[in-house]
Amino acid sequence: GDSVTQTEGQVALSEEDFLTIHCNYSASGYPALFWYVQYPGEGPQFLFRASRDKEKGSSRGFEATYNKEATSFHLQKASVQESDSAVYYCALSANNNNRIFFGDGTQLVVKP
Amino acid sequence: EAAVTQSPRNKVAVTGGKVTLSCNQTNNHNNMYWYRQDTGHGLRLIHYSYGAGSTEKGDIPDGYKASRPSQENFSLILELATPSQTSVYFCASGGRGSDYTFGSGTRLLVI
Repeated sequence: GDSVTQTEGQVALSEEDFLTIHCNYSASGYPALFWYVQYPGEGPQFLFRASRDKEKGSSRGFEATYNKEATSFHLQKASVQESDSAVYYCALSANNNNRIFFGDGTQLVVKP
Repeated sequence: EAAVTQSPRNKVAVTGGKVTLSCNQTNNHNNMYWYRQDTGHGLRLIHYSYGAGSTEKGDIPDGYKASRPSQENFSLILELATPSQTSVYFCASGGRGSDYTFGSGTRLLVI
């Protein structure tokens, strides 16, 4: 079945460090891929999506590129800030499907 | 502004009691979802709905019922609450193939 795997359960960085959170997926065809962010005490928020191979999604300095060959959609940011501390979820929606499948989430902790 | 509103924000329930969590959306989305979030498990889908009058089982439906009386409202019902259902519950709405809008969550403690 459709699934998303996030390798890191937690990532700890200092301000201005480069961020990568790894996301790999399993699905047939070309699913839509998403990143969501969840701040403490809030619900997850949509960050961005990509729907085609090699398409780049981006928002608030974060970006990820759809890689069909590697079945990946890794989240990156060039210079993290303490305010980026949150849980990040990778997700997918298979073609013609009403469901979004979420990964287990990655806790990002950024120290000043 | 379109939104998803959950109530109550916090709830303490007694084991064996009935609990109803409510969700209202103003996005005019056909689809609505109930998730629970626990440490180490991420977001797990309990029930979802494609429109008024419809409910579907998600990945962990046991012990839960759902009700969708209208486009805007979607409830999650725990007929006999147990301590294992202590969790944070999120409601979301979404269109076909589109992203979701989540509510702020309901923190449920079953004692």
